[in-house]
Amino acid sequence: DTGVSQNPRHKITKRGQNVTFRCDPISEHNRLYWYRQTLGQGPEFLTYFQNEAQLEKSRLLSDRFSAERPKGSFSTLEIQRTEQGDSAMYLCASSLASLAKNIQYFGAGTRLSVL
Amino acid sequence: AQSVTQPDIHITVSEGASLELRCNYSYGATPYLFWYVQSPGQGLQLLLKYFSGDTLVQGIKGFEAEFKRSQSSFNLRKPSVHWSDAAEYFCASTGTASKLTFGTGTRLQVTL
Repeated sequence: DTGVSQNPRHKITKRGQNVTFRCDPISEHNRLYWYRQTLGQGPEFLTYFQNEAQLEKSRLLSDRFSAERPKGSFSTLEIQRTEQGDSAMYLCASSLASLAKNIQYFGAGTRLSVL
Repeated sequence: AQSVTQPDIHITVSEGASLELRCNYSYGATPYLFWYVQSPGQGLQLLLKYFSGDTLVQGIKGFEAEFKRSQSSFNLRKPSVHWSDAAEYFCASTGTASKLTFGTGTRLQVTL
């Protein structure tokens, strides 16, 4: 069990640029989640997938944000035309959904700094 | 809508002292409850979870938490804190098999 892997760990970009983050979940997990955490706050839900289907999106996920999980394995989160307010830690989690129990395991996150 | 409240932003305890971190939840039914710990610059590590049954749950690193339905609380405790426990602690809930709702966290400082 290698855990949830996120790349890159840190990303510095200029305002207006596009960025893409990758998340590799625990191999047998069918659910994958993205959260955003700003300084001094708890993580906030962005979106989640069950296999390749995106089942829920938060209002936080503006049209500049897009997430994919094309083959039901790894996922990417893209932010287009980045803004300074996008600076945050982006966390990925995965789980194996069975009945109603859902224990989410988190990766180390990607810290985005928009200059 | 669900919400989780952690009333204490910052707590300082001496090494060897006992610890209690407070968490209150708001949800119509009994939620699933979790405590996670986050070290600086790191992701979240699951300490313990409550789904149903015994209201006192044991977790890793000597932590335990007690679910009290009457008080809508799920407080985290440890009898003797170690310096390595200094971190940020998050309480979270989920009412369905999907997203977690987190509190704003409690930063624990341990003095030697």
